[in-house]
Amino acid sequence: AQSVAQPEDQVNVAEGNPLTVKCTYSVSGNPYLFWYVQYPNRGLQFLLKYITGDNLVKGSYGFEAEFNKSQTSFHLKKPSALVSDSALYFCAVRGRMDSNYQLIWGAGTKLIIKP
Amino acid sequence: EAQVTQNPRYLITVTGKKLTVTCSQNMNHEYMSWYRQDPGLGLRQIYYSMNVEVTDKGDVPEGYKVSRKEKRNFPLILESPSPNQTSLYFCASSTQQGGGHTEAFFGQGTRLTVV
Repeated sequence: AQSVAQPEDQVNVAEGNPLTVKCTYSVSGNPYLFWYVQYPNRGLQFLLKYITGDNLVKGSYGFEAEFNKSQTSFHLKKPSALVSDSALYFCAVRGRMDSNYQLIWGAGTKLIIKP
Repeated sequence: EAQVTQNPRYLITVTGKKLTVTCSQNMNHEYMSWYRQDPGLGLRQIYYSMNVEVTDKGDVPEGYKVSRKEKRNFPLILESPSPNQTSLYFCASSTQQGGGHTEAFFGQGTRLTVV
């Protein structure tokens, strides 16, 4: 069965420090991988995605993610955290062979950036 | 402005009283879906539609109905709501052109409480 795991319910980081939000996946074949962010009382917003090519993907708001095929991971990173990055982050995966375009979602990781 | 619009944003209703949550997108997207978000469970897909008059069950379809009579609209219907359907609901849309790697656009969410 296809699945996405975000092993940390919450990640606490001091402002200015680097941050990592972890994501691992299990899917048949090669995946499309996504990160979304949800601010309080808002819908989800797309951050970045991996399709093919360079394993390091850059996205919105200074975020980047690294695709690691051998570890089946797609961790979200940012070199220097801002208080405004505090939000709920979701990792999602879609199998390339899936004909129904269904996204499989992780449970989400709450990121708290402390001043 | 490209957007997905859900209404209402907040709804409190009583058990058994039929309700409809509307969803409309202005991007001419083929694919639309409904999710519910519950703490610790991430997003779970309720129903999806790959185009007009084409709908299918997601992972948690029980107690819900949908219709897709027009490309832009994808209403979610709860014929007889129950308290276990209290949740945060999101509508999303995406294009299928270019393959399965296009990102989804989300509505602002509908917080439903069934008492």
